Amino acid sequence: DQQVKQNSPSLSVQEGRISILNCDYTNSMFDYFLWYKKYPAEGPTFLISISSIKDKNEDGRFTVFLNKSAKHLSLHIVPSQPGDSAVYFCAASEGWGNAGNMLTFGGGTRLMVKP
Amino acid sequence: EPEVTQTPSHQVTQMGQEVILRCVPISNHLYFYWYRQILGQKVEFLVSFYNNEISEKSEIFDDQFSVERPDGSNFTLKIRSTKLEDSAMYFCASTERGLGYEQYFGPGTRLTVT
Repeated sequence: DQQVKQNSPSLSVQEGRISILNCDYTNSMFDYFLWYKKYPAEGPTFLISISSIKDKNEDGRFTVFLNKSAKHLSLHIVPSQPGDSAVYFCAASEGWGNAGNMLTFGGGTRLMVKP
Repeated sequence: EPEVTQTPSHQVTQMGQEVILRCVPISNHLYFYWYRQILGQKVEFLVSFYNNEISEKSEIFDDQFSVERPDGSNFTLKIRSTKLEDSAMYFCASTERGLGYEQYFGPGTRLTVT
């Protein structure tokens, strides 16, 4: 099941630069997307979300872009800080008719921000 | 800041034994979830729970699994007869409302079946 895919297992960025994490999906019924950050031995921590009626959502250093026609979303972190080093998961949820609201996760991208 | 809590943090059990994983969701949240992550694999949805009943469940959530909200605060996942392949991190999550509201995750319970 590859409905949500993060093709880059890892990304290394210099402190202060931009980090761009990418996510692709195949299910056209997905209409709510989230990014989570995860440290070892902890649960996923919610970062930012976007619904399909928007193409951009910004929260401080974090911006999520959604390209529905390409079924692609990305998370931009500017400027990147060493504390951002973690595994980042993209997740998607399908349609307002889905009362269960299950999230389908990508495989994650490990971000390393070097001082 | 309110958070989802889970106990125990690590559970070791023998194959065939029953285990109960416990979660305390955020107090004003109405939707509850269990997910699991087998080592090296994706986080996978197991079940969602709303208004004291299961809303949705995945193929993984077979007859060996059950969920319960025994009181106003706890949310439990029971595995009746554990198998080796049930070894994973189990995450509980909750959300205030349904779609369009972020799910908040607990720290997880590492289940090891020997």
